[in-house]
Amino acid sequence: SQQGEEDPQALSIQEGENATMNCSYKTSINNLQWYRQNSGRGLVHLILIRSNEREKHSGRLRVTLDTSKKSSSLLITASRAADTASYFCATEGNTGKLIFGQGTTLQVKP
Amino acid sequence: NAGVMQNPRHLVRRRGQEARLRCSPMKGHSHVYWYRQLPEEGLKFMVYLQKENIIDESGMPKERFSAEFPKEGPSILRIQQVVRGDSAAYFCASSATRMRANTEAFFGQGTRLTVV
Repeated sequence: SQQGEEDPQALSIQEGENATMNCSYKTSINNLQWYRQNSGRGLVHLILIRSNEREKHSGRLRVTLDTSKKSSSLLITASRAADTASYFCATEGNTGKLIFGQGTTLQVKP
Repeated sequence: NAGVMQNPRHLVRRRGQEARLRCSPMKGHSHVYWYRQLPEEGLKFMVYLQKENIIDESGMPKERFSAEFPKEGPSILRIQQVVRGDSAAYFCASSATRMRANTEAFFGQGTRLTVV
């Protein structure tokens, strides 16, 4: 069964606004990771949050993890046109492999 | 230190032909993972290999698909007798240790396979 479900599927905002994407999962995890994928390109690792962490920051990115609700959110502050991409959450459980969600497509309009 | 290298970037095959996709992991990485991405979808796990061994192939179709990671050389994902439904982007990732250790996986740019 699909491990990560993301919402919304698509998000369109103006440059300078904040973008929030959510990810829910079903089974226990060791960590949750967020990746960005520009159209037709590979995946770029953004941030990893361990199961015993609740919040993590990296530049304009803020990730939260609520293991009781089995959910995570990715916040991009002060968005830029260059942030336009698809964003995927991926969970790593005891199997040691990453299970990806369907992704959120973010469009940032200049 | 070059990243994960995949080739070719684009591959066109006729139905019934064989497709061979190559992945050279980052230097020092001995763990390789293959994923498939259909259009507008997320990545689906296919197989996890560690030098000369298949660790987990639970996501690999039972027929026509095979993967190897020899002692020397790149990892190879082979698809025999390709069909239109095999058209997808195939991504390879590598890590220094098994990802259970909370280590980051690095992804290649992918190979886009089109079956005509």
